[in-house]
Amino acid sequence: NAGVTQTPKFQVLKTGQSMTLQCAQDMNHNSMYWYRQDPGMGLRLIYYSASEGTTDKGEVPNGYNVSRLNKREFSLRLESAAPSQTSVYFCASSSIVRSSYNSPLHFGNGTRLTVT
Amino acid sequence: GQQLNQSPQSMFIQEGEDVSMNCTSSSIFNTWLWYKQEPGEGPVLLIALYKAGELTSNGRLTAQFGITRKDSFLNISASIPSDVGIYFCAGPTFSGGYNKLIFGAGTRLAVHP
Repeated sequence: NAGVTQTPKFQVLKTGQSMTLQCAQDMNHNSMYWYRQDPGMGLRLIYYSASEGTTDKGEVPNGYNVSRLNKREFSLRLESAAPSQTSVYFCASSSIVRSSYNSPLHFGNGTRLTVT
Repeated sequence: GQQLNQSPQSMFIQEGEDVSMNCTSSSIFNTWLWYKQEPGEGPVLLIALYKAGELTSNGRLTAQFGITRKDSFLNISASIPSDVGIYFCAGPTFSGGYNKLIFGAGTRLAVHP
């Protein structure tokens, strides 16, 4: 049981290049999320998808786009990478989003992105 | 927006010592979650708290949901080297019709044998 799988694990981009981070979950979860982790700032929500066919902005969406391809897959795209987007990116999934929170997030192992 | 303030930022302790860390907010939370992140991995849920005043244990870990609903505490007893990692508190915010988790900045724990 793989859980949440992210690819690639590492990536180096030059300023202005584009790339897509891939995420897939095999737990039949409805909701999926993209976070970025920066030193001293914890995890900040970029975008989320409450269910297949919907996506919404989180705290720090600027410079990113997402696609909920199907129930399993949720991708994050950087159209024109900037050094400020150097970070570790985590995808997560959960089964319940509405009403009282009683479903924990399951995280992937992250994509370490450096933009030079 | 809502923020979670964790302290301390980092801790360096000897194996066998007890550890305490906390998380506070200016807003009320209905749920408090504690996650641990080991090097090179994503965060993993340790303990979930759903009621004010609740005290929950998971092995050597004990967490409490503060009575005011604005804070939570995590204690680790008799620390061992594998306790090394970053500990995050998290809580759900409800906006746009959905719950989303926000995280504290983390407490980085180092354990010296």
